[in-house]
Amino acid sequence: QKEVEQNSGPLSVPEGAIASLNCTYSDRGSQSFFWYRQYSGKSPELIMSIYSNGDKEDGRFTAQLNKASQYVSLLIRDSQPSDSATYLCAVNGLNTGGFKTIFGAGTRLFVKA
Amino acid sequence: NAGVTQTPKFRILKIGQSMTLQCTQDMNHNYMYWYRQDPGMGLKLIYYSVGAGITDKGEVPNGYNVSRSTTEDFPLRLELAAPSQTSVYFCASMRGNEQFFGPGTRLTVL
Repeated sequence: QKEVEQNSGPLSVPEGAIASLNCTYSDRGSQSFFWYRQYSGKSPELIMSIYSNGDKEDGRFTAQLNKASQYVSLLIRDSQPSDSATYLCAVNGLNTGGFKTIFGAGTRLFVKA
Repeated sequence: NAGVTQTPKFRILKIGQSMTLQCTQDMNHNYMYWYRQDPGMGLKLIYYSVGAGITDKGEVPNGYNVSRSTTEDFPLRLELAAPSQTSVYFCASMRGNEQFFGPGTRLTVL
């Protein structure tokens, strides 16, 4: 089992729709959870972090965490063509010493105009 | 602030050649990382450092070496390049839990 698993996609949604990206992780001791966005040919950039169960909203982005199910998700409301990118789920946990981040392979998102 | 800078942007190596990928950050971060990203894959940790003079192996360290003589610089050394090392290499530094990435080095070994 991979430590951080994501559906590779591509996920295609029309402009204005909600894009839902999902991620599961294997380390029950994981404490910090992140979503990075990576445009083609560019480096990853942090867009959301979440540390406790529930929802965290930032503009059009909502991160959801369920530690019991070892599940993290990212919702993008009112999706725009500029949201087309690969989204990497990332996890820090006790097994990684708290300062090493394990990344998933990423989900490619296409937003059609 | 320039953030995290990497040089070179692109490089083609022949099998068996050596090179150093440079990484510098001007944010005074203690934690620094080297990752490789193969096509369609996530980031794999090669080496990391928690401060000047302290380095440790990540998931995929074979074929690489690092040093950390200053807070700012964290170079990655490839001693005997192999085709399996063809990849995009990212350097990152961390503040709190957020990682800041450099623009990457695209390396091809032929």
